[in-house]
Amino acid sequence: AQKVTQAQTEISVVEKEDVTLDCVYETRDTTYYLFWYKQPPSGELVFLIRRNSFDEQNEISGRYSWNFQKSTSSFNFTITASQVVDSAVYFCALPVYGQNFVFGPGTRLSVLP
Amino acid sequence: NAGVTQTPKFQVLKTGQSMTLQCAQDMNHNSMYWYRQDPGMGLRLIYYSASEGTTDKGEVPNGYNVSRLNKREFSLRLESAAPSQTSVYFCASSGLAGTNTGELFFGEGSRLTVL
Repeated sequence: AQKVTQAQTEISVVEKEDVTLDCVYETRDTTYYLFWYKQPPSGELVFLIRRNSFDEQNEISGRYSWNFQKSTSSFNFTITASQVVDSAVYFCALPVYGQNFVFGPGTRLSVLP
Repeated sequence: NAGVTQTPKFQVLKTGQSMTLQCAQDMNHNSMYWYRQDPGMGLRLIYYSASEGTTDKGEVPNGYNVSRLNKREFSLRLESAAPSQTSVYFCASSGLAGTNTGELFFGEGSRLTVL
């Protein structure tokens, strides 16, 4: 079955700490994409990144980085030097049959000043 | 740029009432989606429309109907609301027709409470 697990329900860190959000997935597909979305307190969902299973290189964008490892079926997201504005719920997502995506349950990150 | 716009943002209904959630996108996207978000469950797909004139059921379609009015608009209707439909509803669109490999662009959400 296609499935996304985000085992960390809630994480709290103090500003400037680094934090890693875990995402573990299950898929029958040999090639696939993975996504991360951010949902800040205002409620809208914002796309962060899409990765293709062909490419296992780490992706870095400013303070954000993503570590994709097919061997462990993980696509982890690290925020370096966290800021209060990073407080949000973060979702990992995997495309499945047809037009659907399966979303993980989300990890709520609280960055305290 | 408006992106994806959905209305209303908040609605309270009584059990058995009907209502329609409206969604419009101005990005010329082919695919549109309706998701519901419930605590601890991520987002679950209700219905989607791969292109104008087509709609398909998602994971949790019971109690809902949809209409793809044109390329821009995709509405979600609750014919007889039930308390189990209390949720936050998100409309989304994607630019890659016929695939689910493109990122989703979401509306701001509609919070529905059914009493």
